[in-house]
Amino acid sequence: GAGVSQSPSNKVTEKGKDVELRCDPISGHTALYWYRQSLGQGLEFLIYFQGNSAPDKSGLPSDRFSAERTGGSVSTLTIQRTQQEDSAVYLCASSILAGETQYFGPGTRLLVL
Amino acid sequence: GESVGLHLPTLSVQEGDNSIINCAYSNSASDYFIWYKQESGKGPQFIIDIRSNMDKRQGQRVTVLLNKTVKHLSLQIAATQPGDSAVYFCAENRGTGTASKLTFGTGTRLQVTL
Repeated sequence: GAGVSQSPSNKVTEKGKDVELRCDPISGHTALYWYRQSLGQGLEFLIYFQGNSAPDKSGLPSDRFSAERTGGSVSTLTIQRTQQEDSAVYLCASSILAGETQYFGPGTRLLVL
Repeated sequence: GESVGLHLPTLSVQEGDNSIINCAYSNSASDYFIWYKQESGKGPQFIIDIRSNMDKRQGQRVTVLLNKTVKHLSLQIAATQPGDSAVYFCAENRGTGTASKLTFGTGTRLQVTL
């Protein structure tokens, strides 16, 4: 079956613009996660969704970052008024249940000029 | 604070030798651990996992060892191949039920030399 997909694969934007990143999780997976990975660094947790529960937003770095998950499937990560330090790879993962094995998408490489 | 960390940021191994990548964790309540492999330009790929009721688990050319006494996790790769070159992350599961989530270490880069 299909794995986790993300779009776009690359995004170049100007400082101050808003961007939307999309994640399509594996069908049937109830948990969905967003991470940020700066060049040569580890994974920084941003937010996760589990079923119909309120999302865990504890990793969002500022109020410019938000995420939605519609219909328990597709998720969108939005970064408003982008800044150069937002440049990173944004990775999405999904798992059957929270805490179980997470399967990652290929990531979206964001460059803010 | 509590964290998942790695002893070596870069490991260089000759092709055909065995590789051992180490990871220390500090939360004794963690009950599930996973190793991921990340190749350049790709997302992390699941390799193998282990639960806290086990000490050892084997996969194809990989073995994960868990020592709960000293809170240490290791990944052993047998007969390392050039295709094994990547960054390897350990991750631990903290919390329970719907509050549980994985916390990742900073990663170890494995370089396979010919």
